[in-house]
Amino acid sequence: AQSVTQLGSHVSVSEGALVLLRCNYSSSVPPYLFWYVQYPNQGLQLLLKYTTGATLVKGINGFEAEFKKSETSFHLTKPSAHMSDAAEYFCAVIKAAGNKLTFGGGTRVLVKP
Amino acid sequence: GAGVSQSPRYKVAKRGQDVALRCDPISGHVSLFWYQQALGQGPEFLTYFQNEAQLDKSGLPSDRFFAERPEGSVSTLKIQRTQQEDSAVYLCASSQRQGQETQYFGPGTRLLVL
Repeated sequence: AQSVTQLGSHVSVSEGALVLLRCNYSSSVPPYLFWYVQYPNQGLQLLLKYTTGATLVKGINGFEAEFKKSETSFHLTKPSAHMSDAAEYFCAVIKAAGNKLTFGGGTRVLVKP
Repeated sequence: GAGVSQSPRYKVAKRGQDVALRCDPISGHVSLFWYQQALGQGPEFLTYFQNEAQLDKSGLPSDRFFAERPEGSVSTLKIQRTQQEDSAVYLCASSQRQGQETQYFGPGTRLLVL
């Protein structure tokens, strides 16, 4: 079965510091990869996705992620954290020829002034 | 509409009551998904529709859960004889076509079963 692992359920960063959220997936065939953000009492908003092509994907709000097949990883980064980045972030996959999203457990980001 | 809408946003039910949760997808979107998000966890897949056809219901946790999309647009998730373990946020998502299209999520319905 497809699984997604997000290392660290909580991450605390200082405003202006690098944000790094880790995501690994288990699949022999590379799936389609997504990062979603969830603000309190809201639904999930797509940050970025990887389907095919360039392995470095740029998304909204200055986030980017790199697909590394050899490491089965899709880590999310942002060079400089902003207070508005405080939220919960979910990595998710759709397996090839599939439809449903399989999510990781989420990482809650706290941004310190 | 501009996005996916869900109603009610909050629902409190007594154990044993039946509840119905509504999802209005983005107009014209073919695919519709329901997910369940327990407190502190990532969403988990419940069921998937392509137009009015329910193509995958493998995630429904028990036969108390039932979903329909009779005209291929609005969908209703019904939970019969609610139990405390049903307490969760129920998220609806839609996508333009099938397959690995981006799924757009609604705000969710927070269900609390007492």
